[in-house]
Amino acid sequence: KQEVTQIPAALSVPEGENLVLNCSFTDSAIYNLQWFRQDPGKGLTSLLLIQSSQREQTSGRLNASLDKSSGRSTLYIAASQPGDSATYLCAVVDMDSSYKLIFGSGTRLLVRP
Amino acid sequence: EAGVVQSPRYKIIEKKQPVAFWCNPISGHNTLYWYRQNLGQGPELLIRYENEEAVDDSQLPKDRFSAERLKGVDSTLKIQPAELGDSAVYLCASSSGEAGVSDEQYFGPGTRLTVT
Repeated sequence: KQEVTQIPAALSVPEGENLVLNCSFTDSAIYNLQWFRQDPGKGLTSLLLIQSSQREQTSGRLNASLDKSSGRSTLYIAASQPGDSATYLCAVVDMDSSYKLIFGSGTRLLVRP
Repeated sequence: EAGVVQSPRYKIIEKKQPVAFWCNPISGHNTLYWYRQNLGQGPELLIRYENEEAVDDSQLPKDRFSAERLKGVDSTLKIQPAELGDSAVYLCASSSGEAGVSDEQYFGPGTRLTVT
């Protein structure tokens, strides 16, 4: 059974710092991995989608990498801003669950001004 | 392009009462998902529709939960009767169906349910 883990559970950094959020998954047979942002009381906003054949995706200050063989993904945020404060969730669609996103519990990020 | 729309945004009910949530997916999206998110956890899938057909409802507690997607567009998720443990955020998502299992899923704002 696929399990997704995100470490750390919470992170506090000063504004301007570059940071990395980690996501690991137990079964490397995945179709894709998606990173989401969730603001308090809000739904999920898709940030980046990495297909299983891809190694990374970039959008603005965000870069996500995928290493399927080791079951790991990282989300890199450059020059962090207070507006980046949110919970970041990663999720995979694996070949057993088919279509169903399996989520980690998220990393709660606070960027201090 | 309008995103996934859900209503109501918040609902407070007493246990044993019924409750219903409504979702309107992104126009043209054939696949619709209902997820439940407990506090401090990631969402978990309850049911997935391809057009009007429920193709994966293995995680739906069928004794009290039901869902429908008439005409393959809007969907309603119902709980009857509600229990204290049903307090959670109920999220609706949709995807186009064009890339199959590799589709990107787009989420609505969710309905926060509190059962007292």
